[in-house]
Amino acid sequence: DGGITQSPKYLFRKEGQNVTLSCEQNLNHDAMYWYRQDPGQGLRLIYYSQIVNDFQKGDIAEGYSVSREKKESFPLTVTSAQKNPTAFYLCASTHRGQGAGYGYTFGSGTRLTVV
Amino acid sequence: AQRVTQPEKLLSVFKGAPVELKCNYSYSGSPELFWYVQYSRQRLQLLLRHISRESIKGFTADLNKGETSFHLKKPFAQEEDSAMYYCALSETSGSRLTFGEGTQLTVNP
Repeated sequence: DGGITQSPKYLFRKEGQNVTLSCEQNLNHDAMYWYRQDPGQGLRLIYYSQIVNDFQKGDIAEGYSVSREKKESFPLTVTSAQKNPTAFYLCASTHRGQGAGYGYTFGSGTRLTVV
Repeated sequence: AQRVTQPEKLLSVFKGAPVELKCNYSYSGSPELFWYVQYSRQRLQLLLRHISRESIKGFTADLNKGETSFHLKKPFAQEEDSAMYYCALSETSGSRLTFGEGTQLTVNP
């Protein structure tokens, strides 16, 4: 069953801690994306990667870091520098060559709460 | 830089009534426009894209380059259409998507 798996579904973080959100896909998609979803603000792009070992900052990259060592995986680390990390995080992927016209496939999301 | 605006955060209609979700964009080139939908407790999924000129679940959307709009329409709303709808724009094939703020549609019985 192909798709994108995000884990964990819920994550609690203490102030000052770094946490890593997992995103794995078995769709053989080239490009992967991380979005943050906040009520009333839609989806805002954090980081994206169009090829292994390469990634670009999105609109709100400050306080976040990523890696793309494997085509299937694109983990997101929320660092202690992120001032307001409590949010719903969505991972997505698509074929780079076929274009965004084929649409993104989204994961089910991770809800991060700072306690 | 590209921008997508959905002026209505909340939209409520009665079953059987027409519905229109507004989307305006700003981009100097030729964008690709999309509508995504998120039903309760489900993943965000593609509803339709302008290049296909398709009708999905009775919804249609026409790209109006003069008005820079891509409004989503359905002549007769159903209760199962209740969901969050996002308009999105891509600059070119394969590039990042920019999303609007979203519109929560509620169809009342």
